[in-house]
Amino acid sequence: DTAVSQTPKYLVTQMGNDKSIKCEQNLGHDTMYWYKQDSKKFLKIMFSYNNKELIINETVPNRFSPKSPDKAHLNLHINSLELGDSAVYFCASSQASLYNEQFFGPGTRLTVL
Amino acid sequence: KQEVTQIPAALSVPEGENLVLNCSFTDSAIYNLQWFRQDPGKGLTSLLLIQSSQREQTSGRLNASLDKSSGRSTLYIAASQPGDSATYLCAVYSGGGADGLTFGKGTHLIIQP
Repeated sequence: DTAVSQTPKYLVTQMGNDKSIKCEQNLGHDTMYWYKQDSKKFLKIMFSYNNKELIINETVPNRFSPKSPDKAHLNLHINSLELGDSAVYFCASSQASLYNEQFFGPGTRLTVL
Repeated sequence: KQEVTQIPAALSVPEGENLVLNCSFTDSAIYNLQWFRQDPGKGLTSLLLIQSSQREQTSGRLNASLDKSSGRSTLYIAASQPGDSATYLCAVYSGGGADGLTFGKGTHLIIQP
């Protein structure tokens, strides 16, 4: 009955690799998000995606790209991984937009070696 | 640019006490403010969402207030329990999509049994 789920929970990879993190929500929400939480626990929104409209935080490198096969899924693809990409990545969803309550997934801890 | 500050960064109190967590923001032109808790190694759990037109929201032993004009919100926890131990985060949405959401760094709360 998990509302927002992510896989994998842990991801360890080498610099330069390309990886993906999957996210699914069963809440029927219209909008999904990706967040990055760095080693200092600071949480920052990366993307929001609603009905094919993608809003990108301007600080996010273009190596990061969200892909949505359908309304319930928003996967995060990361190309040419760098050491600084090591963080915990959270997926979230809300009914329509950031005007509404957000629900978070459990997170994916990415370690780049 | 919106800045969100949470004081104190850490708090340890005996079980049973009532306590207040603080969240302040620099730009009062907000749409909403959301309080979350984050348990170690877990995602964020939404506690309360206060819209800009509201003064407070209550859920069980939790009460969150919002004073937009002074740029402050408080989360009141009544009769604290060891299970309340977590990091509490506030997030302010100022509109404009992904760039308009700002999180505080959180208050790490420990309730001593």
